[in-house]
Amino acid sequence: GQQVMQIPQYQHVQEGEDFTTYCNSSTTLSNIQWYKQRPGGHPVFLIQLVKSGEVKKQKRLTFQFGEAKKNSSLHITATQTTDVGTYFCAGPSADSSYKLIFGSGTRLLVRP
Amino acid sequence: DSGVTQTPKHLITATGQRVTLRCSPRSGDLSVYWYQQSLDQGLQFLIQYYNGEERAKGNILERFSAQQFPDLHSELNLSSLELGDSALYFCASSPRGGAASPLHFGNGTRLTVT
Repeated sequence: GQQVMQIPQYQHVQEGEDFTTYCNSSTTLSNIQWYKQRPGGHPVFLIQLVKSGEVKKQKRLTFQFGEAKKNSSLHITATQTTDVGTYFCAGPSADSSYKLIFGSGTRLLVRP
Repeated sequence: DSGVTQTPKHLITATGQRVTLRCSPRSGDLSVYWYQQSLDQGLQFLIQYYNGEERAKGNILERFSAQQFPDLHSELNLSSLELGDSALYFCASSPRGGAASPLHFGNGTRLTVT
């Protein structure tokens, strides 16, 4: 079945360092969404990418959708302690356009 | 505050029991999704409803069932509970039925089966 994998599973960085998480789907995605879940919290929508090769920025966060629309990345410049949490990518299932499948997530820890 | 309300916040019950989790979507949202998140795990899709109709089903156990009512709130029923059902159950809503719409999650119901 369809898989959406993220790497790395964990990342521990020093505050001020950059961070990148990669999302790879086994099938082509019509769109990809990114969510952040703080420890003890619920997932919160960050952004949606739709076009092949699309790049979007939100302050220190840069999101990219691959040319083949099968992969995506989230890059955080100069991490802060407020960036701590788990970052998930999500995309429509190949077998149903109503089903949103989440990646395995990358947990980011930031040392102050 | 996402506008999605889930009750109860916590639930502790014994194996073999049955529980009902409730979700009220954001005002105006017609679609409700249910996800299960086990400890330190990802979000596993269970089921999705749009305007009262089931539209997509994930790997939801036969012991689990759900429905969306005319007022658009949804309930997830878990029966014959097992220890492995202990998890955080999230409800999310979106304006439309497709997976192109961003989801707004509730705070979740933490279920502990003892």
